[in-house]
Amino acid sequence: GAVVSQHPSRVICKSGTSVKIECRSLDFQATTMFWYRQFPKQSLMLMATSNEGSKATYEQGVEKDKFLINHASLTLSTLTVTSAHPEDSSFYICSAHSTSGSDNEQFFGPGTRLTVL
Amino acid sequence: AQSVTQPDIHITVSEGASLELRCNYSYGATPYLFWYVQSPGQGLQLLLKYFSGDTLVQGIKGFEAEFKRSQSSFNLRKPSVHWSDAAEYFCAVGAGYSTLTFGKGTMLLVSP
Repeated sequence: GAVVSQHPSRVICKSGTSVKIECRSLDFQATTMFWYRQFPKQSLMLMATSNEGSKATYEQGVEKDKFLINHASLTLSTLTVTSAHPEDSSFYICSAHSTSGSDNEQFFGPGTRLTVL
Repeated sequence: AQSVTQPDIHITVSEGASLELRCNYSYGATPYLFWYVQSPGQGLQLLLKYFSGDTLVQGIKGFEAEFKRSQSSFNLRKPSVHWSDAAEYFCAVGAGYSTLTFGKGTMLLVSP
């Protein structure tokens, strides 16, 4: 199947700083990428859907000015957590939707563990 | 609104024994149903999916799931569990591959 990478896999930052997480589809083009947040013992919660070249669509309750999403190319989407606070500490997972050939599914990245001190 | 319930937070199964993980869903139309597996430090991997047709679907790694509309269930089964199956399993419902709603997951522990 197709491969999605995330970078970094783990990041620790100070409160008030901004953190950028990259999500890349390595061997396919993804017109749509999704960003999820996963708390311990909880399910994945969809934060936003990003389409290449257009503004992201945020789920209710997700602050778009705090979680900036850019999907500038068909293989890269970035999530920037601005002015991070300890409550933003979580596991962030991206996925990329491939619609080419038989790969019509969401492929998930390995996740990024964010810890805000 | 769509929702998914996985009633078991943890399940422990002996290696070689059979496994059934429960999943109940709420969805307004014909659901698209999925089972994913997540190993520590890994992304989610699709085990199997149901869109339509035969209600018993086969997936990778010897897993299967049965869609029962009358019970709003999509339980995951495996006849003989291997130690490498220890992981967290997520059931999800959606309209196609987008807008997935996930359950809270079931952690599978495999005892020797």
